[in-house]
Amino acid sequence: DQQVKQNSPSLSVQEGRISILNCDYTNSMFDYFLWYKKYPAEGPTFLISISSIKDKNEDGRFTVFLNKSAKHLSLHIVPSQPGDSAVYFCAALWSNDYKLSFGAGTTVTVRA
Amino acid sequence: KAGVTQTPRYLIKTRGQQVTLSCSPISGHRSVSWYQQTPGQGLQFLFEYFSETQRNKGNFPGRFSGRQFSNSRSEMNVSTLELGDSALYLCASSFRDRGTGELFFGEGSRLTVL
Repeated sequence: DQQVKQNSPSLSVQEGRISILNCDYTNSMFDYFLWYKKYPAEGPTFLISISSIKDKNEDGRFTVFLNKSAKHLSLHIVPSQPGDSAVYFCAALWSNDYKLSFGAGTTVTVRA
Repeated sequence: KAGVTQTPRYLIKTRGQQVTLSCSPISGHRSVSWYQQTPGQGLQFLFEYFSETQRNKGNFPGRFSGRQFSNSRSEMNVSTLELGDSALYLCASSFRDRGTGELFFGEGSRLTVL
């Protein structure tokens, strides 16, 4: 059962503009939400996270928003840079469960 | 600080064979988890170990097994390989006892089953 869904398999954005990636989840037990970034031939790297007690977390150009009532989170990248071109995975965790549930990923392409 | 190391990086097997993949976590990390990545499926959780104890297991058949050693190194084994087992197998480690999801991933072992 896919508890975390990323409905957009790809996103193309112009350099300098905002990238918005979306993610939906179904399990209300999740208490941490994360975004990972993956380049080809590399393992995923942690990007940013948010706990369920918050609705926003910011780290430089990256901001994650959480809407618990809608079971929805989003990642904003402002401004987008060519080095941001990668696959972005949304993930969620119930901390008593020790396993991350991942979405299928969104491939972001930043055009010069 | 060395990252998570996975061996082998690439391997080709035939149906019915078995395979063992190895993972060395970051020094000091006691939690090791394994994920399978296939195209369009994201990462699927296989299992998680902490101090040699399996704390959780994903929805995979019994052909998939793993273990963790006292030095936190981990291995996973897949027996009686099937074509559908072709995937990138990722190992991740964490220093946290209680999960917050911040994992450090290796580069993966790419398994092709012919």
